This record gives sequence, C-alpha cells and structure tokens, in this order.
Amino acid sequence: AQSVTQLGSHVSVSEGALVLLRCNYSSSVPPYLFWYVQYPNQGLQLLLKYTSAATLVKGINDFEAEFKKSETSFHLTKPSAHMSDAAEYFCAVSDSGSNYKLTFGKGTLLTVNP
Amino acid sequence: NAGVTQTPKFRVLKTGQSMTLLCAQDMNHEYMYWYRQDPGMGLRLIHYSVGEGTTAKGEVPDGYNVSRLKKQNFLLGLESAAPSQTSVYFCASIGDTSEQFFGPGTRLTVL
Repeated sequence: AQSVTQLGSHVSVSEGALVLLRCNYSSSVPPYLFWYVQYPNQGLQLLLKYTSAATLVKGINDFEAEFKKSETSFHLTKPSAHMSDAAEYFCAVSDSGSNYKLTFGKGTLLTVNP
Repeated sequence: NAGVTQTPKFRVLKTGQSMTLLCAQDMNHEYMYWYRQDPGMGLRLIHYSVGEGTTAKGEVPDGYNVSRLKKQNFLLGLESAAPSQTSVYFCASIGDTSEQFFGPGTRLTVL
C-alpha cells in the first residue's frame, strides 16, 4: 500500500525567504509523485510531477522538487516566497499498478508574512 | 474544452435525504475518480472507474454508490445522507500522462 507523509501541517515563512515543504512517501513499485496547490475555496492545481524522468522536476511559479529514491522523499522548494504563494499544498503518490489512484498527504498550509 | 465539470457546486441536505453528484469530462479519459476532502485529512478516494461500465471501491466507499454508464460521466450517489458525509467532493480524470485533472469541487453540507 502507498502512503504519503507531509512533515509540518503549517509552515510560515517571510516574503523573499526560501520555501521548503517536506514530503516522504512509501511505495512498493516505482512511483509517480505530484505536488498540488489549493487556494482558499478553490480546486486543486498541479504544481509539478515526477514520472521517472529527471529527478529534479521544475514546475510552475518557480517551484521545484527533487526525487530522492534513497530517502523516499520528494520535497518541494521555492527560492523566494511571494505573498501569493500562501495556500495549502498537497503531496500525492500513485503508480500504474494501482490504476493511478492518488494517495494524498494531509497537506501543509503555507503562510507568507510581509 | 471544459475539462472536468461538477454539478452542483453547493448543496445542503437533511439527514436521510438522497442526492447524486455529477462529474463530466470532455477529454475522452478512461479513468475517473471521486475523492472527498476533509480538514486535516487531505483527499481520500471514495470510488473510481477504469472505463465505461466499471466501478471499484476506494479507501472510504461506505455510504456511497457510483455509476459510469457513459464514458464521459461518473455519478456519485448518497442514498441516505449522514452528517459525516459533510465534505467537499472532487472528481478527477486521467489521460495518458498519469496526471489527474480535477474538477472545481462540490461543497456538501448534511444537517
């Protein structure tokens, strides 16, 4: 069975500071990994995805994540936080053997302080 | 392309009432999914379908039924709504790139 753990349900950073949101996963087969962002009262928007190509994945709005198989991690980073980055972020895992069902982490709420 | 659409956007039910949520996609996707989102729980899979005429249970299927009579539509039914089913419901579909496309959500309150 797959699982995802997001360390820290709430992360607070200052505007211009580095954003680091942590995600660890477990999967018995090579995984597909995703980061989604959700703004208040909206749906989910895909930030980036890993599907067994390059281990460093670049997404929208200058976010990126690195797949580290040895650490079973897929942490999300952004060099400089903007106020508009304030949202909830979800890490998710799936694989072809499970009919691409997504297993989500519980989410990390990012607050950006001026 | 409208992508994935959900009907209705909001609904308030009384305990014991029934309703159906409709998900429609115009991308010719085979796989479709229903998730529910609750505070602090992330999204959890209710049911899913790997093609027209097929359905399967997800992580939290109790109290829900689904049907996929047409490839483009995936219906989620609540036969007898309970307050524990108050949630935001998201539908998603997947193409050939492993990425799931999500609908805008349905906010359901059961009193």
